[in-house]
Amino acid sequence: DIVMTQSPDSLSVSLGERATINCKSSQSVLYSSNNKNYLAWYQQKPGQPPKLLVYWASTRESGVPDRFSGSGSGTDFTLTISSLQAEDVAVYYCHQYYSVPFTFGPGTKVDIK
Amino acid sequence: QVQLQQWGAGLLKPSETLSLTCGVYGGSFSGYYWTWIRQPPGKGLEWIGEINDSGSTIYNPSLKSRLTMAVDASKKQFSLKLKSVTAADTAVYYCARGGPYCTGGNCPFDYWGQGTLVTVSS
Repeated sequence: DIVMTQSPDSLSVSLGERATINCKSSQSVLYSSNNKNYLAWYQQKPGQPPKLLVYWASTRESGVPDRFSGSGSGTDFTLTISSLQAEDVAVYYCHQYYSVPFTFGPGTKVDIK
Repeated sequence: QVQLQQWGAGLLKPSETLSLTCGVYGGSFSGYYWTWIRQPPGKGLEWIGEINDSGSTIYNPSLKSRLTMAVDASKKQFSLKLKSVTAADTAVYYCARGGPYCTGGNCPFDYWGQGTLVTVSS
């Protein structure tokens, strides 16, 4: 199984400041034949299902604010919130859909400093 | 607007069978992979498995021996059965849609159901 790790476990950021979440996979999730990274990011607020933010590591889902961006390749990935808003308080998960069983990171909790 | 609505029993005794169904409203059923994911209270997400509109399945090997998924494309519904449940199966269960940004069954999940808390307790 591909093990996903995230850092930090939690993050406190001032409103308007940048938040950076890291995700690492135990093996590469880059598929060489199409040069795509099979990595997604989700946001989950309390009592709600996760919401897809980014797929293919860096493609923003339709309707997601452009302050959210994904980067990275191979085994190391980053989700950046460029200017934290109050509504961004949530837990963020990375997810590999490269190989079965598809797996998720343990989550990073983001709140307001 | 695609909506997934799920239903099923929320309280089970050990050794019973968990049974959930998810209905798809407002969008196409064919051409997608339909997925189940669970989340124990206060914990992270676990992928259970997926099924396409033709009934082809991909299961998490850790659950495969207890798992059955089925699809009724005419009703735009898919279902999950997990037998011989224990307290370790207590979780919020979500149905979700894989894709459309997919290669085969390798998809991120773009629409989710509201979740069903299933508690296993004697």
